[in-house]
Amino acid sequence: SYELTQPLSVSVALGQTARITCGGHNIGGENVHWYQQKPGQAPVLVIYRDNNRPSGIPERFSGSNSRDMATLTISRAQDGDEADYYCHVWDSSTYVVFGGGTKLTVL
Amino acid sequence: QVQLAESGGGLVKPGGSLRLSCAGSGFSFSDYFMTWIRQAPGKGLEWLSYISSSGTTIYYADSVKGRFTVSRDNNKNSLNLQMNSLRVEDTAVYFCARGESAFIDAFDMWGQGTVVTVSS
Repeated sequence: SYELTQPLSVSVALGQTARITCGGHNIGGENVHWYQQKPGQAPVLVIYRDNNRPSGIPERFSGSNSRDMATLTISRAQDGDEADYYCHVWDSSTYVVFGGGTKLTVL
Repeated sequence: QVQLAESGGGLVKPGGSLRLSCAGSGFSFSDYFMTWIRQAPGKGLEWLSYISSSGTTIYYADSVKGRFTVSRDNNKNSLNLQMNSLRVEDTAVYFCARGESAFIDAFDMWGQGTVVTVSS
């Protein structure tokens, strides 16, 4: 079955750039989606199809995807960006695969 | 207002059953596929089931196959999840979510979740 690997945690200084990775075999050939989840809330889509932002998501959020790694980049990190982030791809055998999630801490 | 709203969660004993519902409003429900996703306490997201916009194609995760049944009624803008033979490990917040094209698209809208607790 297809697996996605995310770091358990990432820390970033206020105003700096955070990068959250999502590793998977040949993930560069897949559409990768990213969700932000704050405590007690439902996940919110922040990036779809590798590098597209839904309406209402700040331009500070961007994505990239190549070979075996997809990356969610959050520029000028703010306190409000503290959350868990999950990557997601579709797989032909297991259908929907989520990464294990990354907790972003803004210092 | 465009939204999804789950209901039906609660406390149930191991081996028991529960039926969750998800009501869609403010959008054309029949244009979207729907999924159920859960999150155990302190854990990550776990996908459970998929149902196509017409209801003709259904997929399940191995962890719930044979125990859970997903259905939808596009006339009522509703999605359901019948959960049987519940186990302690099914304790989680259950979310419904929608998307446009399977195997391509993200889940662009989620409900707020409903809590299921399986305990004796």
